[in-house]
Amino acid sequence: AQSVTQLDSQVPVFEEAPVELRCNYSSSVSVYLFWYVQYPNQGLQLLLKYLSGSTLVKGINGFEAEFNKSQTSFHLRKPSVHISDTAEYFCAVSESDDYKLSFGAGTTVTVRA
Amino acid sequence: KAGVTQTPRYLIKTRGQQVTLSCSPISGHRSVSWYQQTPGQGLQFLFEYFSETQRNKGNFPGRFSGRQFSNSRSEMNVSTLELGDSALYLCASRSQGSNYGYTFGSGTRLTVV
Repeated sequence: AQSVTQLDSQVPVFEEAPVELRCNYSSSVSVYLFWYVQYPNQGLQLLLKYLSGSTLVKGINGFEAEFNKSQTSFHLRKPSVHISDTAEYFCAVSESDDYKLSFGAGTTVTVRA
Repeated sequence: KAGVTQTPRYLIKTRGQQVTLSCSPISGHRSVSWYQQTPGQGLQFLFEYFSETQRNKGNFPGRFSGRQFSNSRSEMNVSTLELGDSALYLCASRSQGSNYGYTFGSGTRLTVV
């Protein structure tokens, strides 16, 4: 069974600074990887996903992530954050033919002026 | 394309009652899955339905059940509500093929008093 570890529970960052959110997973089979963002009292919005192909994935709102199979990681980055990026971010993994997502515990990003 | 619609958005129920939540997936999507989100346990998988058949189930007691109709709409039911069932319940609609991914609804916030 797969598991997901988000290494930082809270990340404070200043506006216009870069941010990296770390995600590691464990699985014995090939996986699909996702990053979601959640704003207060809302559902999950997909930022980006890795299915196959290029290991550098670009998503919405300037986010990107890199899949590293040898390190079983899928870290999320943004070169310059805005106040509006304040939210909770979830890394998730799905094994092929498993029909479910397993989520990390989430990382709360707080952007300060 | 309309997104995933969950109703109602908010519910307050009393311990011992039962509740039914509804989810309409994106048109053409045949897979619907349900997740429970709580501050203590995070996001946990409840079950997944595809063409009216449950294909996967999470580790929840039998009080939690679901079904899917021929139009792909899904309902989940929780019987004999407990205080610990208070949570945000999220429904996800899954696309297949090269655009594989999960789109979430805004959720139903259930409060058990």
